Amino acid sequence: QKEVEQNSGPLSVPEGAIASLNCTYSDRGSQSFFWYRQYSGKSPELIMSIYSNGDKEDGRFTAQLNKASQYVSLLIRDSQPSDSATYLCAVKTSGSYGKLTFGQGTILTVHP
Amino acid sequence: EPEVTQTPSHQVTQMGQEVILRCVPISNHLYFYWYRQILGQKVEFLVSFYNNEISEKSEIFDDQFSVERPDGSNFTLKIRSTKLEDSAMYFCASSEQEHYEQYFGPGTRLTVT
Repeated sequence: QKEVEQNSGPLSVPEGAIASLNCTYSDRGSQSFFWYRQYSGKSPELIMSIYSNGDKEDGRFTAQLNKASQYVSLLIRDSQPSDSATYLCAVKTSGSYGKLTFGQGTILTVHP
Repeated sequence: EPEVTQTPSHQVTQMGQEVILRCVPISNHLYFYWYRQILGQKVEFLVSFYNNEISEKSEIFDDQFSVERPDGSNFTLKIRSTKLEDSAMYFCASSEQEHYEQYFGPGTRLTVT
């Protein structure tokens, strides 16, 4: 079974700090990786996508992918209280027709 | 900015009843999906749909479930005979291409009593 694992947290960081969220996946053939943010009672909101090894930056967010280690991470710089949410790692595994496999999510709390 | 819309936002139904959940994907997107999330659990894939056919379905998507694109804009999920364990948030998503980003609608909260 193709799995995606995240540390469920909660992860607590002070305002202005860097939050680091991690995700590992079991399917070595996976090609597409996504980070979503989910506020309580709301739907997943796409933050970042990453397809190749290395870093991808978008504003305060940086996604990092290491396919050899089957590891993807999300860094949030200058964390704000409004970043407090559950962060979902999602992977399109090999052989799937768009199916995303989600991790259980990491709860992030940014305290003032 | 284009977005996926879903109706209703909340549906309450009795066990054994049929429900239809509706979605309007982003207009230039070709791939459509349904996911569900039971309270406190992971987001789970149900089905993907492309070119008026199911591309892939999960073990959850049994004979009680069906999907349809009845016209050029709507995408529906039907549950024929609801069970208590069908209570969940149901999310519709769409993407331009199979491996591109998927954008989620706001969800329908289904409560089966």
